[in-house]
Amino acid sequence: QKEVEQNSGPLSVPEGAIASLNCTYSDRVSQSFFWYRQYSGKSPELIMSIYSNGDKEDGRFTAQLNKASQYVSLLIRDSQPSDSATYLCAVTSSFGNEKLTFGTGTRLTIIP
Amino acid sequence: ETGVTQTPRHLVMGMTNKKSLKCEQHLGHNAMYWYKQSAKKPLELMFVYSLEERVENNSVPSRFSPECPNSSHLFLHLHTLQPEDSALYLCASSQDGLDMAGELFFGEGSRLTVL
Repeated sequence: QKEVEQNSGPLSVPEGAIASLNCTYSDRVSQSFFWYRQYSGKSPELIMSIYSNGDKEDGRFTAQLNKASQYVSLLIRDSQPSDSATYLCAVTSSFGNEKLTFGTGTRLTIIP
Repeated sequence: ETGVTQTPRHLVMGMTNKKSLKCEQHLGHNAMYWYKQSAKKPLELMFVYSLEERVENNSVPSRFSPECPNSSHLFLHLHTLQPEDSALYLCASSQDGLDMAGELFFGEGSRLTVL
């Protein structure tokens, strides 16, 4: 069983719509959750972190965490072509362990 | 000047060569990492250094040898690699501490091809 699971996509969303990216994780005691964006040919860039249940908003981005369901999501409102990238979900394995486990990523394409 | 700089950006080497990848961070962080990124696989942690001491060696073959002479510099020495080692090697840094370990700043990567 994969530790961090994401739908590889590609996910195609019209410009201006909401893009919804999902991630599930297997370690129940995971503490910290991150979303990284990786443009083609570039390195990953941290865009959101979330540590407690609920929603966290930053501009057009909202991260949602549900620890009971072991589920974290990223919503991108008013999607722009510049949002086209691969989005990586990452989770710290367990409390006191700083190892970060990544999913394989979801490729998002925003259609003008 | 970018926060995390990696050289070379591209490297082609034969299986018998010895080469090194270099990483330098200008962010004042005290933890540095080597990750391997292969197609259709998750980012794979190879090594972690915290305050210049290795704290993680993720069952990496001995043909990969890290070196961290100070908190700003990290090397990955490569020796007798295999074609399946061809990948993008990413260096990253972070502030030490439980809450900061997931907030990584990546370099642009070194694309390695082993012939």
